[in-house]
Amino acid sequence: GESVGLHLPTLSVQEGDNSIINCAYSNSASDYFIWYKQESGKGPQFIIDIRSNMDKRQGQRVTVLLNKTVKHLSLQIAATQPGDSAVYFCADIIGGSYIPTFGRGTSLIVHP
Amino acid sequence: DAGVIQSPRHEVTEMGQEVTLRCKPISGHNSLFWYRQTMMRGLELLIYFNNNVPIDDSGMPEDRFSAKMPNASFSTLKIQPSEPRDSAVYFCASSDGQVDEKLFFGSGTQLSVL
Repeated sequence: GESVGLHLPTLSVQEGDNSIINCAYSNSASDYFIWYKQESGKGPQFIIDIRSNMDKRQGQRVTVLLNKTVKHLSLQIAATQPGDSAVYFCADIIGGSYIPTFGRGTSLIVHP
Repeated sequence: DAGVIQSPRHEVTEMGQEVTLRCKPISGHNSLFWYRQTMMRGLELLIYFNNNVPIDDSGMPEDRFSAKMPNASFSTLKIQPSEPRDSAVYFCASSDGQVDEKLFFGSGTQLSVL
């Protein structure tokens, strides 16, 4: 994941809209990518993952897209709900390593 | 399974005191990670254990920090002496490396050093 400075990027959306959260990674040797959701006062929680041999993976209301050419990862949340309000982190893992590198996170605010 | 269990949830101490944070990983997981989270620096990896052996401690800030994993079900992170700049949320996470590298995090310890 990338370092984006002191302040978390923030995405504000209306309930029911689709949300897209973006992440860039720097190491072309990264072959496993994970999105985490962190609610206030809690630890990060796994949402969805994707391996480098795929470019898209879908879960329940969430989709992760991977573009290895530009080293970019995105998380799409369909029909965003107030309960989706949290900080979202991407993490990448280099092949052969078990240690994820986390990005700084994006704060998603969902307005009812 | 109850998930990763950390204690205490909150710790307030004075500068110079020793602080010990505790973690019980998910049963059967063979990897354990200690992270520190601050607004300034985000999530920083402090140390990574595999099968109770420290593999990567390059993120440990300095000699004041130490971590142990005496068995597969328990780990500690100790700060001695503590300083105000150590104030942060400390997370423990575990993973089953036999399956994938997905981390499961505890609820964290909010540390305040006055």
